[in-house]
Amino acid sequence: DSGVTQTPKHLITATGQRVTLRCSPRSGDLSVYWYQQSLDQGLQFLIHYYNGEERAKGNILERFSAQQFPDLHSELNLSSLELGDSALYFCASSVAPSVRSGSYEQYFGPGTRLTVT
Amino acid sequence: AQTVTQSQPEMSVQEAETVTLSCTYDTSENNYYLFWYKQPPSRQMILVIRQEAYKQQNATENRFSVNFQKAAKSFSLKISDSQLGDTAMYFCAFMGSGSNTGKLIFGQGTTLQVKP
Repeated sequence: DSGVTQTPKHLITATGQRVTLRCSPRSGDLSVYWYQQSLDQGLQFLIHYYNGEERAKGNILERFSAQQFPDLHSELNLSSLELGDSALYFCASSVAPSVRSGSYEQYFGPGTRLTVT
Repeated sequence: AQTVTQSQPEMSVQEAETVTLSCTYDTSENNYYLFWYKQPPSRQMILVIRQEAYKQQNATENRFSVNFQKAAKSFSLKISDSQLGDTAMYFCAFMGSGSNTGKLIFGQGTTLQVKP
């Protein structure tokens, strides 16, 4: 158990719908990362938050958005869902925001499997 | 942009034998960090080992060790005394030090099957 929690574990929804994935980082971790794992794209970085502020964006679609709240949990919002959004979405956390400032190892949650039908 | 390549989609090894998984990467940075993650059938991502590019000594964690060749931009993982529980997909990952984010860039993965 990495200490990172994600809910829900599974989500099945229809095209055009909106869903919210939730992540709670390990105790003491201020950084939260979101990754998408799909068969065709592999594991891709989506977005990084540190202590409530966005630090970096990867190949995240405009239909997707995220935020990190004062209690440090994070939510990934996916809207206007398409079949191609079906994937495993991981949240990872670390203490520091980068290798420049301390413990940077990332620990992953169990993931949320999203199926769009 | 940094890229990570794992050229072996699938590998197999007999229990108790040794296997080496390959990874190459491309970067213009001089200092960076490399990782191997394991993803068993449960789909959980588990950190196996890490290597700082400024360190010449290869990292070791119990039965897992790496062969880090900085000039060749190569970072292979050696698993000794393979166990059935090592059956998993293994991902090589890169983290740069030149920005204010620790995002990971992953390779495509290698599926390893350990046979009894």
